[in-house]
Amino acid sequence: DAKTTQPNSMESNEEEPVHLPCNHSTISGTDYIHWYRQLPSQGPEYVIHGLTSNVNNRMASLAIAEDRKSSTLILHRATLRDAAVYYCILRDPHTGGFKTIFGAGTRLFVKA
Amino acid sequence: DAGVIQSPRHEVTEMGQEVTLRCKPISGHDYLFWYRQTMMRGLELLIYFNNNVPIDDSGMPEDRFSAKMPNASFSTLKIQPSEPRDSAVYFCASSLGRLRDQPQHFGDGTRLSIL
Repeated sequence: DAKTTQPNSMESNEEEPVHLPCNHSTISGTDYIHWYRQLPSQGPEYVIHGLTSNVNNRMASLAIAEDRKSSTLILHRATLRDAAVYYCILRDPHTGGFKTIFGAGTRLFVKA
Repeated sequence: DAGVIQSPRHEVTEMGQEVTLRCKPISGHDYLFWYRQTMMRGLELLIYFNNNVPIDDSGMPEDRFSAKMPNASFSTLKIQPSEPRDSAVYFCASSLGRLRDQPQHFGDGTRLSIL
């Protein structure tokens, strides 16, 4: 599976937008970009996913570069509850994509 | 709706003992996954089932680990005998259909400590 690169950590102020970047320069044409987050002492939680077009849901927005070699998870107004580790992963539905390694992710700190 | 339920939440046992972790997936989900998370290796897929049948167990570290899914609403991960290096957080997840459009739903995990 193609790999992703994320910053180890980022910091944000409460109620400000947060842009979490992810590089995936070796992405294949059939890889979907998925984002999960993991709050302390909890299992990973699905956030959003997309293929080519930008996506929005109640939790966040996903902006995908035109060449698909990078993407950005956007939290429109960070809250203290958004402090978590955010994972960007690639899943190829044709191979099941089940063996994707989550990696270290980006630890987001939110300041009050 | 009830999410994925794992038990126990915490397990502390001595080396050599048998450990059994349990998982109840979300009703109607046809895929079930077992993961292990450690600081050193991150989140690793151990095994996954489709319609109660093990599909890929290549992530299971060694023969001491075994997993079963006797029915659609229950799965176990067993370690026998346990060793200190098995200490980790074990997660169970389930999903509906293939991952093309369906996210995985994770339980809150079992924190396992082998002394």
